[in-house]
Amino acid sequence: GAVVSQHPSWVICKSGTSVKIECRSLDFQATTMFWYRQFPKQSLMLMATSNEGSKATYEQGVEKDKFLINHASLTLSTLTVTSAHPEDSSFYICSARDRGRGKDGYTFGSGTRLTVV
Amino acid sequence: GIQVEQSPPDLILQEGANSTLRCNFSDSVNNLQWFHQNPWGQLINLFYIPSGTKQNGRLSATTVATERYSLLYISSSQTTDSGDYFCAVKMGFGNEKLTFGTGTRLTIIP
Repeated sequence: GAVVSQHPSWVICKSGTSVKIECRSLDFQATTMFWYRQFPKQSLMLMATSNEGSKATYEQGVEKDKFLINHASLTLSTLTVTSAHPEDSSFYICSARDRGRGKDGYTFGSGTRLTVV
Repeated sequence: GIQVEQSPPDLILQEGANSTLRCNFSDSVNNLQWFHQNPWGQLINLFYIPSGTKQNGRLSATTVATERYSLLYISSSQTTDSGDYFCAVKMGFGNEKLTFGTGTRLTIIP
Protein backbone atom coordinates (compact mmCIF):
# COMPACT_ATOMS: atom_id res chain seq x y z
CA GLY A 1 0.00 0.00 0.00
CA ALA A 2 0.87 3.66 -0.21
CA VAL A 3 3.45 4.76 2.34
CA VAL A 4 4.45 8.23 3.43
CA SER A 5 7.65 8.61 5.40
CA GLN A 6 8.01 11.63 7.66
CA HIS A 7 11.24 12.65 9.41
CA PRO A 8 12.26 13.38 12.02
CA SER A 9 9.76 11.76 14.40
CA TRP A 10 10.64 14.21 17.09
CA VAL A 11 12.94 17.20 17.40
CA ILE A 12 13.94 19.59 20.15
CA CYS A 13 15.39 22.92 19.12
CA LYS A 14 16.38 26.17 20.73
CA SER A 15 14.24 29.24 20.37
CA GLY A 16 15.27 31.28 17.34
CA THR A 17 16.61 28.38 15.29
CA SER A 18 15.02 26.76 12.22
CA VAL A 19 13.82 23.21 11.84
CA LYS A 20 13.14 21.27 8.64
CA ILE A 21 10.65 18.41 8.44
CA GLU A 22 10.62 16.05 5.46
CA CYS A 23 7.70 14.17 3.98
CA ARG A 24 8.32 11.53 1.31
CA SER A 25 5.92 9.38 -0.65
CA LEU A 26 7.78 6.09 -0.99
CA ASP A 27 5.83 4.15 -3.59
CA PHE A 28 3.71 6.67 -5.43
CA GLN A 29 3.94 10.13 -6.91
CA ALA A 30 2.23 12.80 -4.92
CA THR A 31 1.42 15.90 -6.93
CA THR A 32 -0.29 17.36 -3.88
CA MET A 33 0.81 17.23 -0.25
CA PHE A 34 -0.76 18.74 2.84
CA TRP A 35 0.71 19.93 6.12
CA TYR A 36 -1.29 19.83 9.34
CA ARG A 37 -0.58 21.01 12.86
CA GLN A 38 -2.10 19.40 15.93
CA PHE A 39 -1.92 20.88 19.41
CA PRO A 40 -2.44 18.61 22.46
CA LYS A 41 -5.98 17.29 22.78
CA GLN A 42 -7.06 19.15 19.65
CA SER A 43 -7.87 18.23 16.09
CA LEU A 44 -5.69 18.48 13.01
CA MET A 45 -5.64 21.95 11.49
CA LEU A 46 -4.59 22.31 7.88
CA MET A 47 -1.70 24.71 7.49
CA ALA A 48 -1.04 24.58 3.76
CA THR A 49 -1.43 22.66 0.53
CA SER A 50 1.63 22.19 -1.64
CA ASN A 51 1.67 21.26 -5.28
CA GLU A 52 4.78 20.00 -6.99
CA GLY A 53 6.61 22.77 -8.77
CA SER A 54 4.44 25.63 -7.55
CA LYS A 55 4.04 27.80 -4.49
CA ALA A 56 2.14 26.44 -1.53
CA THR A 57 -1.33 27.66 -0.68
CA TYR A 58 -1.55 28.65 2.96
CA GLU A 59 -4.66 28.61 5.12
CA GLN A 60 -5.87 31.82 6.63
CA GLY A 61 -3.85 32.83 9.67
CA VAL A 62 -0.77 30.74 8.82
CA GLU A 63 2.38 32.82 8.35
CA LYS A 64 3.95 31.84 5.04
CA ASP A 65 7.27 33.47 5.94
CA LYS A 66 7.48 31.46 9.13
CA PHE A 67 6.39 28.10 7.74
CA LEU A 68 8.29 27.60 4.50
CA ILE A 69 7.02 24.79 2.31
CA ASN A 70 8.92 23.37 -0.61
CA HIS A 71 7.58 20.68 -2.95
CA ALA A 72 10.41 20.36 -5.42
CA SER A 73 9.72 16.82 -6.58
CA LEU A 74 6.79 14.44 -6.93
CA THR A 75 7.90 12.49 -3.89
CA LEU A 76 9.23 15.08 -1.45
CA SER A 77 7.79 18.04 0.40
CA THR A 78 9.52 19.88 3.22
CA LEU A 79 8.25 22.17 5.94
CA THR A 80 10.75 24.54 7.54
CA VAL A 81 9.78 26.28 10.73
CA THR A 82 11.90 29.42 10.76
CA SER A 83 12.93 31.29 13.90
CA ALA A 84 11.02 28.82 16.02
CA HIS A 85 9.49 29.92 19.30
CA PRO A 86 7.96 27.89 22.14
CA GLU A 87 4.45 28.56 20.81
CA ASP A 88 5.43 26.67 17.64
CA SER A 89 5.81 23.51 19.70
CA SER A 90 3.27 21.11 18.26
CA PHE A 91 2.72 17.87 16.37
CA TYR A 92 3.12 18.34 12.61
CA ILE A 93 1.65 15.78 10.20
CA CYS A 94 1.97 15.59 6.43
CA SER A 95 -0.37 13.91 4.02
CA ALA A 96 0.12 12.97 0.39
CA ARG A 97 -2.56 12.63 -2.24
CA ASP A 98 -2.34 9.55 -4.41
CA ARG A 99 -4.72 10.19 -7.27
CA GLY A 100 -4.21 6.68 -8.55
CA ARG A 101 -6.20 5.40 -5.58
CA GLY A 102 -9.21 7.55 -6.26
CA LYS A 103 -11.10 9.70 -3.82
CA ASP A 104 -9.85 7.92 -0.70
CA GLY A 105 -6.21 8.21 -1.73
CA TYR A 106 -4.90 10.19 1.23
CA THR A 107 -1.90 8.76 3.08
CA PHE A 108 -0.55 10.30 6.26
CA GLY A 109 2.94 10.43 7.66
CA SER A 110 3.61 9.36 11.23
CA GLY A 111 4.07 12.95 12.39
CA THR A 112 6.84 15.07 13.89
CA ARG A 113 6.72 16.25 17.47
CA LEU A 114 8.47 19.61 17.68
CA THR A 115 9.51 21.05 21.02
CA VAL A 116 11.04 24.51 21.09
CA VAL A 117 12.92 25.38 24.28
CA GLY B 1 -15.31 27.23 5.36
CA ILE B 2 -17.03 23.98 6.18
CA GLN B 3 -17.65 23.19 9.84
CA VAL B 4 -17.22 19.63 11.10
CA GLU B 5 -18.42 18.88 14.60
CA GLN B 6 -18.07 15.56 16.37
CA SER B 7 -19.90 14.29 19.41
CA PRO B 8 -19.42 13.39 22.11
CA PRO B 9 -16.02 15.02 22.69
CA ASP B 10 -15.19 12.39 25.30
CA LEU B 11 -16.60 8.92 25.84
CA ILE B 12 -15.68 6.50 28.61
CA LEU B 13 -17.02 2.97 28.39
CA GLN B 14 -16.55 -0.40 29.98
CA GLU B 15 -14.89 -3.09 27.89
CA GLY B 16 -17.50 -5.00 25.91
CA ALA B 17 -19.87 -2.06 25.53
CA ASN B 18 -20.99 -0.63 22.21
CA SER B 19 -20.32 2.96 21.19
CA THR B 20 -21.64 5.41 18.62
CA LEU B 21 -19.62 8.41 17.45
CA ARG B 22 -21.24 11.16 15.41
CA CYS B 23 -19.90 13.56 12.81
CA ASN B 24 -21.97 16.53 11.62
CA PHE B 25 -20.86 18.68 8.70
CA SER B 26 -22.22 22.01 7.53
CA ASP B 27 -22.06 21.63 3.76
CA SER B 28 -22.24 19.07 0.99
CA VAL B 29 -19.22 16.80 0.73
CA ASN B 30 -18.01 14.26 -1.79
CA ASN B 31 -15.53 12.56 0.50
CA LEU B 32 -15.84 11.53 4.14
CA GLN B 33 -13.37 9.39 6.01
CA TRP B 34 -13.06 8.10 9.56
CA PHE B 35 -9.66 7.85 11.24
CA HIS B 36 -8.33 6.44 14.47
CA GLN B 37 -5.26 8.19 15.84
CA ASN B 38 -3.12 5.83 17.87
CA PRO B 39 -1.18 6.91 21.00
CA TRP B 40 1.90 7.63 18.87
CA GLY B 41 -0.02 10.00 16.64
CA GLN B 42 -0.35 7.82 13.55
CA LEU B 43 -3.63 8.21 11.72
CA ILE B 44 -5.23 4.94 10.72
CA ASN B 45 -7.86 5.09 8.02
CA LEU B 46 -10.96 3.20 9.12
CA PHE B 47 -13.51 3.96 6.41
CA TYR B 48 -13.95 5.92 3.23
CA ILE B 49 -17.69 6.51 3.33
CA PRO B 50 -19.17 9.55 1.52
CA SER B 51 -22.56 7.82 1.63
CA GLY B 52 -24.17 4.53 2.62
CA THR B 53 -23.04 1.93 5.12
CA LYS B 54 -19.89 -0.12 5.47
CA GLN B 55 -18.74 -2.72 7.95
CA ASN B 56 -15.32 -4.01 8.88
CA GLY B 57 -15.32 -6.49 11.74
CA ARG B 58 -16.53 -4.82 14.93
CA LEU B 59 -16.60 -1.43 13.25
CA SER B 60 -19.24 -0.05 10.95
CA ALA B 61 -20.07 3.37 9.59
CA THR B 62 -23.06 5.06 8.06
CA THR B 63 -23.21 8.37 6.24
CA VAL B 64 -26.48 10.13 5.41
CA ALA B 65 -25.17 12.74 3.02
CA THR B 66 -28.53 14.46 2.50
CA GLU B 67 -28.75 15.12 6.25
CA ARG B 68 -25.04 15.90 6.59
CA TYR B 69 -23.99 13.45 9.24
CA SER B 70 -22.05 10.26 9.66
CA LEU B 71 -21.96 7.70 12.45
CA LEU B 72 -19.19 5.33 13.50
CA TYR B 73 -20.24 2.28 15.48
CA ILE B 74 -17.87 0.22 17.57
CA SER B 75 -19.30 -2.99 18.97
CA SER B 76 -17.90 -5.08 21.83
CA SER B 77 -15.30 -2.41 22.61
CA GLN B 78 -11.79 -3.48 23.57
CA THR B 79 -9.13 -1.51 25.41
CA THR B 80 -7.17 -1.30 22.17
CA ASP B 81 -10.02 0.75 20.70
CA SER B 82 -9.08 3.61 23.03
CA GLY B 83 -7.79 6.75 21.38
CA ASP B 84 -8.93 9.68 19.32
CA TYR B 85 -11.36 9.28 16.46
CA PHE B 86 -11.68 11.87 13.71
CA CYS B 87 -13.92 12.25 10.73
CA ALA B 88 -12.58 14.26 7.80
CA VAL B 89 -14.46 15.65 4.84
CA LYS B 90 -13.72 17.09 1.45
CA MET B 91 -15.98 19.48 -0.37
CA GLY B 92 -16.75 19.49 -4.13
CA PHE B 93 -14.47 19.23 -7.06
CA GLY B 94 -11.34 21.29 -7.53
CA ASN B 95 -10.69 21.30 -3.80
CA GLU B 96 -8.60 18.43 -2.49
CA LYS B 97 -8.05 19.38 1.11
CA LEU B 98 -9.49 17.30 3.93
CA THR B 99 -11.06 19.19 6.84
CA PHE B 100 -10.95 17.32 10.11
CA GLY B 101 -13.68 17.21 12.69
CA THR B 102 -13.28 18.20 16.32
CA GLY B 103 -12.65 14.61 17.38
CA THR B 104 -13.92 12.15 19.98
CA ARG B 105 -11.62 10.76 22.65
CA LEU B 106 -12.68 7.21 23.47
CA THR B 107 -11.48 5.51 26.63
CA ILE B 108 -12.29 1.84 27.17
CA ILE B 109 -11.92 0.68 30.76
CA PRO B 110 -11.08 -2.99 31.44
